[in-house]
Amino acid sequence: DIQMTQSPSSLSASVGDRVTITCRASQSISTYLNWYQQKPGKAPKLLIYAASSLQTGVPSRFSGSGSGTDFTLTITSLQPEDFATYYCQHCYSTPPDFGPGTKVDIK
Amino acid sequence: EVQLVESGGGLVQPGGSLRLSCAASGVTVSSNYMSWVRQAPGKGLEWVSAIYRGGSTDYADSVKGRFTISRDNSKNTLHLQMNSLRAEDTAVYYCASSSHWGSSWYLDYWGQGTLVTVSS
Repeated sequence: DIQMTQSPSSLSASVGDRVTITCRASQSISTYLNWYQQKPGKAPKLLIYAASSLQTGVPSRFSGSGSGTDFTLTITSLQPEDFATYYCQHCYSTPPDFGPGTKVDIK
Repeated sequence: EVQLVESGGGLVQPGGSLRLSCAASGVTVSSNYMSWVRQAPGKGLEWVSAIYRGGSTDYADSVKGRFTISRDNSKNTLHLQMNSLRAEDTAVYYCASSSHWGSSWYLDYWGQGTLVTVSS
């Protein structure tokens, strides 16, 4: 199985900050990597698919990059509605596991 | 508009069974890769099972042999039959549908989730 790790596990940031979250796979997964946002009590929401493609309707302040084993999710100017937990997920093989999540809260 | 509505969650004793359903609209269950993903209280997301367009299925090792994913094409509904339930199966269970981009796929629509609690 491919293991997914994320760093940091949590971070505190202010509105307007640039935020970068890292996801690492235990083996190369090309660009088979998705990012989701989850707010408390809500279902996850797809942000980025195939490592860097922005899902329809997602603000352009979100971007994804990377290939192989190392990936990043960047929020260029953090907005109040962006405080949430972010998960990466690979879709390279079964099981398509998620990373442990990165919680972004208000500084 | 795609809607996925889960039902069937509840309180069950260890060793018991439960059947979850996910009624779909705006998406055809038989034509899509459909998944179940769960989230234990205060924990992260865990992929549980999937059924492919051709009908083949996959399971996480943690549920293999105990859970069965299926679909009712006539009712456009996804099911998850859960047997031999354990305390560690306690979670909110989400159904999700996927879309594809080349050979990649992603979960773009999710239900609201249904809570399963396994406790005596």
